[in-house]
Amino acid sequence: NAGVTQTPKFQVLKTGQSMTLQCAQDMNHNSMYWYRQDPGMGLRLIYYSASEGTTDKGEVPNGYNVSRLNKREFSLRLESAAPSQTSVYFCAPLEQETQYFGPGTRLLVL
Amino acid sequence: GENVEQHPSTLSVQEGDSAVIKCTYSDSASNYFPWYKQELGKRPQLIIDIRSNVGEKKDQRIAVTLNKTAKHFSLHITETQPEDSAVYFCAASMDNYGQNFVFGPGTRLSVLP
Repeated sequence: NAGVTQTPKFQVLKTGQSMTLQCAQDMNHNSMYWYRQDPGMGLRLIYYSASEGTTDKGEVPNGYNVSRLNKREFSLRLESAAPSQTSVYFCAPLEQETQYFGPGTRLLVL
Repeated sequence: GENVEQHPSTLSVQEGDSAVIKCTYSDSASNYFPWYKQELGKRPQLIIDIRSNVGEKKDQRIAVTLNKTAKHFSLHITETQPEDSAVYFCAASMDNYGQNFVFGPGTRLSVLP
């Protein structure tokens, strides 16, 4: 887990604002994933990237875009934030069969 | 696609007792089943996993059992301690394809002193 960093740790946005959540891993893993976790809920897959330069939609992709420009970094962008996107966002590289989660970004949209 | 159910949603046990959480999955092709523990305000952490070629795996006070025929797997925690209090998530996955990594809804375990 020490090999996954997420920035920022916490962010407050107003409805309609945009922002990018950053994730970086130093473990040389091909696959990376973005999840959201709403209060008291499980983990839902937003987007994933099986390798550098490729991305695919998960269960809840609407309102998000992603970018995997290199092997190390996988960013998640909210173009026009909505209160329904208030959540904790976790990045998770895949090591063999197992996903290891970053520390998370707590996002509040007012 | 894969669907993972998890029961119970909440579980309270006395310190020292055992706790059992059960998950069922729908896709018989799933062959990897990890369990994660998430403490309040922290990230999910892998605590144990099992692959479909194994029926049981133990690690100190925790164990996982798998019944492929019935498509269910369970987490067993013995001699529970207050620090075991957390939310536990099961997941099911197929091969190395993380896009098939499906989580259960979670179980909130409270260990009462």
